[in-house]
Amino acid sequence: AQTVTQSQPEMSVQEAETVTLSCTYDTSESNYYLFWYKQPPSRQMILVIRQEAYKQQNATENRFSVNFQKAAKSFSLKISDSQLGDTAMYFCAFTSGGGADGLTFGKGTHLIIQP
Amino acid sequence: GAGVSQSPSNKVTEKGKDVELRCDPISGHTALYWYRQSLGQGLEFLIYFQGNSAPDKSGLPSDRFSAERTGGSVSTLTIQRTQQEDSAVYLCASSLGSAGVNEQFFGPGTRLTVL
Repeated sequence: AQTVTQSQPEMSVQEAETVTLSCTYDTSESNYYLFWYKQPPSRQMILVIRQEAYKQQNATENRFSVNFQKAAKSFSLKISDSQLGDTAMYFCAFTSGGGADGLTFGKGTHLIIQP
Repeated sequence: GAGVSQSPSNKVTEKGKDVELRCDPISGHTALYWYRQSLGQGLEFLIYFQGNSAPDKSGLPSDRFSAERTGGSVSTLTIQRTQQEDSAVYLCASSLGSAGVNEQFFGPGTRLTVL
């Protein structure tokens, strides 16, 4: 079974700073997909960024980028120039891509951006 | 438009009653997923539908839980004889195909409170 671990229950940074959220995972699969989801107080889960394990290049989406270390099974999220609207729960998630597996989520990190 | 919708938004019920939760996926999405989000267990994957078929129901927490999907569209999650530990937010997601390759789009969830 796959597991996803987020070791930072809560983080707080000042607006405009850069913040990195940590995620490690465990799997015996050779190909899989990793995600970061954002969940604001509205409860709506929003996909932030996606990484395919067979791609060595780290994914980026505007101010969001990942540091994917396959051998270390690490998948951290970097948010640059943080904004007040980035305040939310952030979940790291994994799937082997078989469809029937769904997503396995970490416990989440509550990120607070201070003005 | 739209996105994935779920109803009701909130449901309060008494212990022992049955409840039905509804999910309307994005039109044309063949894959549909149910998740449960609770304080104690975090986000758990419950069940996956490809079309109207659910190949694996082992993720459902107990035999009081059942799910169906009709017409390749709407899905209902039914909880019989509700217990207080069933209190959680139930999230539905849909995608064009298998998870990983295809992005999962989440609904706003149904918050279930069992008194």
